[in-house]
Amino acid sequence: DTGVSQDPRHKITKRGQNVTFRCDPISEHNRLYWYRQTLGQGPEFLTYFQNEAQLEKSRLLSDRFSAERPKGSFSTLEIQRTEQGDSAMYLCASSLENRSPQHFGDGTRLSIL
Amino acid sequence: GESVGLHLPTLSVQEGDNSIINCAYSNSASDYFIWYKQESGKGPQFIIDIRSNMDKRQGQRVTVLLNKTVKHLSLQIAATQPGDSAVYFCAENRGNQGGKLIFGQGTELSVKP
Repeated sequence: DTGVSQDPRHKITKRGQNVTFRCDPISEHNRLYWYRQTLGQGPEFLTYFQNEAQLEKSRLLSDRFSAERPKGSFSTLEIQRTEQGDSAMYLCASSLENRSPQHFGDGTRLSIL
Repeated sequence: GESVGLHLPTLSVQEGDNSIINCAYSNSASDYFIWYKQESGKGPQFIIDIRSNMDKRQGQRVTVLLNKTVKHLSLQIAATQPGDSAVYFCAENRGNQGGKLIFGQGTELSVKP
């Protein structure tokens, strides 16, 4: 399968713990995006990379959040000192270029106890 | 059946009927639009896209119409099938903002057999 893959699919953790999610984009895609989705809402943009460069971060991305794409391929999203409000689906998408379709993975569902 | 924009989040149609899902976008600078289908527990799935230099684009059983004058987008699904039941999102891409997508609230389509 050559789609976007995310790992893990589900993560349950206690408040205050750190979590890290991984995204493997479609191999030839230069752009990689992270979004967050809560129940009943559309995805909200968090950040994006072009190759290994992180070009934009949303105001939603507090200092507790950090994303990397060290070799311009897979990406990780880390949340430190998790809070109840971090519970959401974290979605990754990739695209070939600007103004081309973004293809999404099935997300990582984070639940904070 | 017909949904009026994002103010009617649920649309119920009979199998075999045509469905029309409407979306109003907010920014006249948006120049690229995508429709996604999202099933429960999965990420958004790309359906069809349209650029602002077009008014209409057709795919397999789907048609997207773009009216830039009133900033309105619609998705038409022909001969709706039970497998079309899902939440549908329109997303606008403000190309001068790095390609991030701005999603609407979504419309839940329910197909009755």
